[in-house]
Amino acid sequence: GQQLNQSPQSMFIQEGEDVSMNCTSSSIFNTWLWYKQDPGEGPVLLIALYKAGELTSNGRLTAQFGITRKDSFLNISASIPSDVGIYFCAGRLNYGGATNKLIFGTGTLLAVQP
Amino acid sequence: DGGITQSPKYLFRKEGQNVTLSCEQNLNHDAMYWYRQDPGQGLRLIYYSQIVNDFQKGDIAEGYSVSREKKESFPLTVTSAQKNPTAFYLCASKRGGSSGDNEQFFGPGTRLTVL
Repeated sequence: GQQLNQSPQSMFIQEGEDVSMNCTSSSIFNTWLWYKQDPGEGPVLLIALYKAGELTSNGRLTAQFGITRKDSFLNISASIPSDVGIYFCAGRLNYGGATNKLIFGTGTLLAVQP
Repeated sequence: DGGITQSPKYLFRKEGQNVTLSCEQNLNHDAMYWYRQDPGQGLRLIYYSQIVNDFQKGDIAEGYSVSREKKESFPLTVTSAQKNPTAFYLCASKRGGSSGDNEQFFGPGTRLTVL
């Protein structure tokens, strides 16, 4: 199955730093979702994006739906230790199918040093 | 509280045995999904169901089976035909079936280990 290119694979930062990660695809998407997964738990939805160019915030998190519809970005400002986890992007292809299947990125592991 | 529950949290199975993982949701969602997660990889779709009594194969359906007899339940059976079943299994649901938004909500997962 197809997977999205997500980068970086991992990040090790100091508390208080800002974080940026992104997902790219060769295909056009009509939906981008960002999830966070804590160890041994299910992913939790952070932000959903539905329009090209859309910029949406959720507290210290900000995500953008790329203008080309082939990429998306997630930024975390002023990181704190509880931001630790794996962040996944997910997208739905814009081919008009009715299945609503999501394609997931490979994840970005974030570690925050207090 | 509304949500998705999966049981058990940890499951051990001997080679050659079938095992069934439970997934229940009380969100009144139409669509339900099963994913498999392996270390360092994204989620891979096993099966999905957009409406009761109907389900479709995902990308890695071989060695798995499902049923959708009730809207709130979507059990996954890992059969002995699955060659590498040790993994973390995640169930998700979404409102609206084949229509509606694309936001899937996940359960807490079941970690299956084959001994």
